[in-house]
Amino acid sequence: DAMVIQNPRYQVTQFGKPVTLSCSQTLNHNVMYWYQQKSSQAPKLLFHYYDKDFNNEADTPDNFQSRRPNTSFCFLDIRSPGLGDAAMYLCATTTGGGAHQPQHFGDGTRLSIL
Amino acid sequence: QKEVEQDPGPLSVPEGAIVSLNCTYSNSAFQYFMWYRQYSRKGPELLMYTYSSGNKEDGRFTAQVDKSSKYISLFIRDSQPSDSATYLCALRNAGGTSYGKLTFGQGTILTVHP
Repeated sequence: DAMVIQNPRYQVTQFGKPVTLSCSQTLNHNVMYWYQQKSSQAPKLLFHYYDKDFNNEADTPDNFQSRRPNTSFCFLDIRSPGLGDAAMYLCATTTGGGAHQPQHFGDGTRLSIL
Repeated sequence: QKEVEQDPGPLSVPEGAIVSLNCTYSNSAFQYFMWYRQYSRKGPELLMYTYSSGNKEDGRFTAQVDKSSKYISLFIRDSQPSDSATYLCALRNAGGTSYGKLTFGQGTILTVHP
């Protein structure tokens, strides 16, 4: 059974039209991450939550926001998507019991911009 | 210079071959070393996780870390068509400001043909 679930699997939006991607987890993990993976590139960390504490990577564009209303859910909001934001967006979780704990990934949402 | 370098391939081998996948890194602060497997249109799946220099074996997979050379490897013995996927190395600091942040290599595309 999937433990990190991302919806939708595929999302198409128009240039400049806000879009929200969703991630839920059944693992009760403290930490949730959002990564961006462009075609044939390495996943790149955008931000993460440790419980309610939000941590933004220094090079994450302001266009990207996130919300975590409870332990199980985390959302990625892209306020005004540009063509360069077309990518796979991956959600991952870890327990928070130490930096050595492995991360569990969802199957991603592939975002296309028209 | 990227923090983690990984040859993207593609790599094509016959079934039963031994596969060697490699990454080099520049930041000596990396303490945890992982290999993820990513099938097409899926999220990364953790294969191997090592902490210290040396070898770790799990079935047909062996992970090798050489911290002095900043070089990590994944070996796949008796490769199968089901091993066809993208293999990503991922490295993590022991500390840092981003809890458990993974720095990925670009990924190597592997095809095992019958």
